[in-house]
Amino acid sequence: QQQVKQSPQSLIVQKGGISIINCAYENTAFDYFPWYQQFPGKGPALLIAIRPDVSEKKEGRFTISFNKSAKQFSLHIMDSQPGDSATYFCAASRGGAGSYQLTFGKGTKLSVIP
Amino acid sequence: EPEVTQTPSHQVTQMGQEVILRCVPISNHLYFYWYRQILGQKVEFLVSFYNNEISEKSEIFDDQFSVERPDGSNFTLKIRSTKLEDSAMYFCASCREGGTEAFFGQGTRLTVV
Repeated sequence: QQQVKQSPQSLIVQKGGISIINCAYENTAFDYFPWYQQFPGKGPALLIAIRPDVSEKKEGRFTISFNKSAKQFSLHIMDSQPGDSATYFCAASRGGAGSYQLTFGKGTKLSVIP
Repeated sequence: EPEVTQTPSHQVTQMGQEVILRCVPISNHLYFYWYRQILGQKVEFLVSFYNNEISEKSEIFDDQFSVERPDGSNFTLKIRSTKLEDSAMYFCASCREGGTEAFFGQGTRLTVV
């Protein structure tokens, strides 16, 4: 019940295209859903996050869509750029900072080709 | 910009040896975490630490693991007797009180031979 399932495992997108990564969770106690971006040799860095009281959150070219009834959320990267090539992890957490255990998906390796 | 720093960046150790991985969290943060990432796999939670005690730990965090905040700035992860399967990237993270964002360090690559 703690799992977060992420797909696809890898994604190749042309420059200027839209990258879409999907995640599904089982635990209805999760109430915080961040996306992390990781470049080779670096730690994960928070990209964007959403709480279940909204269905969409947009920050620049990055948008999270959240479907509470389906227990799914997705990351959309508009106008994808070669610099976006990285591994993206969705994650979920329950509770506040005191019990802030992140459960990660398996990651999606995004390659944006010119 | 404040960041979480980890040392060393890479550690090679023989099976059965003890290792200590070190982290300096962001200075005003009060919640500290260790995660690990086996090569090519997902990031997994190990332990969280608040107010000088463990607040949560995963089943991975068995008796071979321990954490400590020996002074006001460092946060360490000790593996008492390393196994081959402990080879992974270990990430330290920290979070401020009332915050939701965990800031990750660059990681320590542990290789057990």
